[in-house]
Amino acid sequence: AQSVAQPEDQVNVAEGNPLTVKCTYSVSGNPYLFWYVQYPNRGLQFLLKYITGDNLVKGSYGFEAEFNKSQTSFHLKKPSALVSDSALYFCAVRGRDSSASKIIFGSGTRLSIRP
Amino acid sequence: DTGVSQNPRHKITKRGQNVTFRCDPISEHNRLYWYRQTLGQGPEFLTYFQNEAQLEKSRLLSDRFSAERPKGSFSTLEIQRTEQGDSAMYLCASSLDQLAGTDTQYFGPGTRLTVL
Repeated sequence: AQSVAQPEDQVNVAEGNPLTVKCTYSVSGNPYLFWYVQYPNRGLQFLLKYITGDNLVKGSYGFEAEFNKSQTSFHLKKPSALVSDSALYFCAVRGRDSSASKIIFGSGTRLSIRP
Repeated sequence: DTGVSQNPRHKITKRGQNVTFRCDPISEHNRLYWYRQTLGQGPEFLTYFQNEAQLEKSRLLSDRFSAERPKGSFSTLEIQRTEQGDSAMYLCASSLDQLAGTDTQYFGPGTRLTVL
């Protein structure tokens, strides 16, 4: 069975500092991995995805994520946080041998950037 | 590209009533998904269409729930005899068919259902 864990409910970072939002996954075979962001009362916005190739994936708004197969992780990172990055972040996984339909989401991590 | 739209944005209903939500996907997208999100949780998959065919349903989708996509464009999600436990945000997403599993799902703003 596929699963995603986001071990931190909340991450607090000062503006200008680097940020990391952690994600680990469990799936049979190689995964497809995604990060989404959700602002209050809005749907999810796609940030980036890992399909294959380079383990470092660059996405929207200066975010990037590193796929680590040995640690089954896909942590989201940004070199310098902005107050506007404050939102709810979801990691998600889809197995390659699945029906290629549903994505399994983590429970989310609330990122708070203080000025 | 106007994005995925959902209507209504909010729905308040009394227990036992039927409700219907509509999702309009991005125009060229042939895949459409429904998810449910409760407070403090990530979205949970409900069902998925490829064109007009409903290809997968979660066991979360009880017999009170039904979804349609009659012409392969917009979709409706109906909940019959609503219960308080149905209160949640219902999210729709669409994508363009690519190599299996690689398509990116784009989400609408959601319909927030409150069952009194």
